[in-house]
Amino acid sequence: SQQGEEDPQALSIQEGENATMNCSYKTSINNLQWYRQNSGRGLVHLILIRSNEREKHSGRLRVTLDTSKKSSSLLITASRAADTASYFCATGINNDMRFGAGTRLTVKP
Amino acid sequence: GAGVSQSPSNKVTEKGKDVELRCDPISGHTALYWYRQRLGQGLEFLIYFQGNSAPDKSGLPSDRFSAERTGESVSTLTIQRTQQEDSAVYLCASSLLRNTIYFGEGSWLTVV
Repeated sequence: SQQGEEDPQALSIQEGENATMNCSYKTSINNLQWYRQNSGRGLVHLILIRSNEREKHSGRLRVTLDTSKKSSSLLITASRAADTASYFCATGINNDMRFGAGTRLTVKP
Repeated sequence: GAGVSQSPSNKVTEKGKDVELRCDPISGHTALYWYRQRLGQGLEFLIYFQGNSAPDKSGLPSDRFSAERTGESVSTLTIQRTQQEDSAVYLCASSLLRNTIYFGEGSWLTVV
């Protein structure tokens, strides 16, 4: 079954810097979603990008999707200490969504 | 309900005992997922229900694990004869078709 794979596994930056995380997948998808997890409990949905979209923005978040390369990136601009969390991408066709292992982002104040 | 609700939020059980974890999805959501997440690791897909279709059970790690869903409502994940390796957070999520997946807060299972 398909699964998003994030890289890097861990990323540490200073407050104010931008953070970029990448996601690669293997098969066709309907959409790709990015999630955030603060404390090992529930995931919070950040943004959904459909397979016919190339870029999407939401506040300080920018997501790109390149279906030819089967990859996506999540950019967080002007990072804050509160952005420290794990970030996951989920890919799937129809509703069969699978998650990668995540990127652990640490934003130092 | 307003969101995905899971119970119990925490469960400590003795090795060898059976446990049941419950998930109440968002009303009207046809899809329901169970994932497992061990400490510091990613989400491991367990099972997926979509409407009246046969569930995708391909992620269940052993025959000790089973799940049921009543129509498009409540789901229960049952783990029989629990082992210490079953200790993890069990996350339930629901969605409409091809749409955002909403997660519950998870059930933290500790097997001692």
